[in-house]
Amino acid sequence: DQQVKQNSPSLSVQEGRISILNCDYTNSMFDYFLWYKKYPAEGPTFLISISSIKDKNEDGRFTVFLNKSAKHLSLHIVPSQPGDSAVYFCAASATNAGKSTFGDGTTLTVKP
Amino acid sequence: GAGVSQSPRYKVAKRGQDVALRCDPISGHVSLFWYQQALGQGPEFLTYFQNEAQLDKSGLPSDRFFAERPEGSVSTLKIQRTQQEDSAVYLCASSFRRGASNEQFFGPGTRLTVL
Repeated sequence: DQQVKQNSPSLSVQEGRISILNCDYTNSMFDYFLWYKKYPAEGPTFLISISSIKDKNEDGRFTVFLNKSAKHLSLHIVPSQPGDSAVYFCAASATNAGKSTFGDGTTLTVKP
Repeated sequence: GAGVSQSPRYKVAKRGQDVALRCDPISGHVSLFWYQQALGQGPEFLTYFQNEAQLDKSGLPSDRFFAERPEGSVSTLKIQRTQQEDSAVYLCASSFRRGASNEQFFGPGTRLTVL
């Protein structure tokens, strides 16, 4: 049973447009969510996070939205750039836990 | 820069061999995590250390997997009697704060292939 799901394996957008990546979770104990970006042959790199006490967190071109009632979060990238092309992972954890649960990732391609 | 490093980057083992994978976290980072990533999937949690204490090893798939961090810095993941299903990328991550609810800094991973 996958507790964190990224239902879109891939997404393609035009440069300058908005990219929206989605993530759903099932475990109500999760209260902290992170997005990571991964290039080939490298480890994931932290992008942005959100605590369950918030419903939005913004950092430059990146905004994460959290809908606790729907157990859904999304990452918005505006405007998208070709350098944003990578695999994006959503991860969730519970306070004081050592375990993070990751989704299977969404491959974003931004076309020039 | 002094990021998380892992060695070796690539390891080929014959089925039944023992392997040891090393992780050098960022200096001063309290938390250290090991993950296993199969092709086309996300990282899957294996184990978590807070300094030298292994606080969560619930993700280790069998008793053939063993991890240690004896001095609270470098960590080793050991896999005994490797099987083909152990083939994966093994990622190590560290974090300045305690627990998983913080930004983790990942190493580049060790790609293990078991023949």
